[in-house]
Amino acid sequence: GAGVSQSPSNKVTEKGKDVELRCDPISGHTALYWYRQSLGQGLEFLIYFQGNSAPDKSGLPSDRFSAERTGGSVSTLTIQRTQQEDSAVYLCASSFTGAHTDTQYFGPGTRLTVL
Amino acid sequence: GQQVMQIPQYQHVQEGEDFTTYCNSSTTLSNIQWYKQRPGGHPVFLIQLVKSGEVKKQKRLTFQFGEAKKNSSLHITATQTTDVGTYFCAGPIQGAQKLVFGQGTRLTINP
Repeated sequence: GAGVSQSPSNKVTEKGKDVELRCDPISGHTALYWYRQSLGQGLEFLIYFQGNSAPDKSGLPSDRFSAERTGGSVSTLTIQRTQQEDSAVYLCASSFTGAHTDTQYFGPGTRLTVL
Repeated sequence: GQQVMQIPQYQHVQEGEDFTTYCNSSTTLSNIQWYKQRPGGHPVFLIQLVKSGEVKKQKRLTFQFGEAKKNSSLHITATQTTDVGTYFCAGPIQGAQKLVFGQGTRLTINP
């Protein structure tokens, strides 16, 4: 079946603009995760959804970052008033139940460049 | 807070040489997962270890989970150019439904 998809694949924006990144998880997966990966670095956890609720937002770097998930499926990560330090690859992953024994399936990522 | 550390950060080998990456947690882990990220790609699940002292093999890859469940290793025998990429370990955060990823070990290979 289809894997996790993300759009856009690349986004170039000007400093101060808002951006929206979209994630379509694997159908039937209740858990959805957002990570950020700066060039050559590891995975930085941002936020986790179980269904439509976000029990863990601890990784969001600032109040410029927000995310929502609707219908237990698609999720949108919004970054307001983008800064150059926001430039990174934003990865979305989904898992079947969210149990920590579940495999996380990653999407291809959105490469965000803030000029 | 709970941390998962990986060493080395980078490793360059000649094709045919062996490679090992080590993962250490500040706390006991209920399980550990390993992922591989090819250059320009996204992380892909390799394996999960659950039991103390567990050893699992996938062809030339051998994964171990320490007796105390605080460390793990991935060993690749006779590396091939297809093994190039970054290898991440990940363990669950206690009391939370999320994984914490190590910083990864980036493997490059000289053919």
